[in-house]
Amino acid sequence: QQQVKQSPQSLIVQKGGISIINCAYENTAFDYFPWYQQFPGKGPALLIAIRPDVSEKKEGRFTISFNKSAKQFSLHIMDSQPGDSATYFCAASNVGGGADGLTFGKGTHLIIQP
Amino acid sequence: DSGVTQTPKHLITATGQRVTLRCSPRSGDLSVYWYQQSLDQGLQFLIQYYNGEERAKGNILERFSAQQFPDLHSELNLSSLELGDSALYFCASSVDWGELFFGEGSRLTVL
Repeated sequence: QQQVKQSPQSLIVQKGGISIINCAYENTAFDYFPWYQQFPGKGPALLIAIRPDVSEKKEGRFTISFNKSAKQFSLHIMDSQPGDSATYFCAASNVGGGADGLTFGKGTHLIIQP
Repeated sequence: DSGVTQTPKHLITATGQRVTLRCSPRSGDLSVYWYQQSLDQGLQFLIQYYNGEERAKGNILERFSAQQFPDLHSELNLSSLELGDSALYFCASSVDWGELFFGEGSRLTVL
């Protein structure tokens, strides 16, 4: 079964610090790697995404780092704020092979302490 | 607001029963996806429909079925319910692939 392994399961970071969440995948056919953010009582919402032709993508305080050879990618949240407290999911899919739905990691519960 | 509407928001039923969850995708989106979210399994892909046709199937049990209607809304039918089916069920839509827009989910509790 295709898998995306996410760590850590939970993370506590002080306000202003850097939050780092890691994911690893097995299927080398994956070619689309998004991160979703979910607040309690809400559905997941796309935060940032990357394709494997680049090693890094930055949007504001959020950065995806991608290592194709290691089959790993990570989310960095710079200057973490209490409003960033949420559950974060990495995901992957094989868009080039046909839409087969995103395979999600199990999520990271992030708490930013004031 | 993602533009994806799911009903009902909450549902409580008994084991052995059957329920139907409904999803209205964003205007213009042709693809609808169903996901199951539980504490221990995270977000599990169940099934995808594209313009009325089944496109991909994930970890969907035989007791579950779905369909997408000509107006593009979708329904997920869950039958012979078991305690372990208690979960949040999310619908998502997209134009084709790429960014998925999720609804707020239907919380199913099986007693």
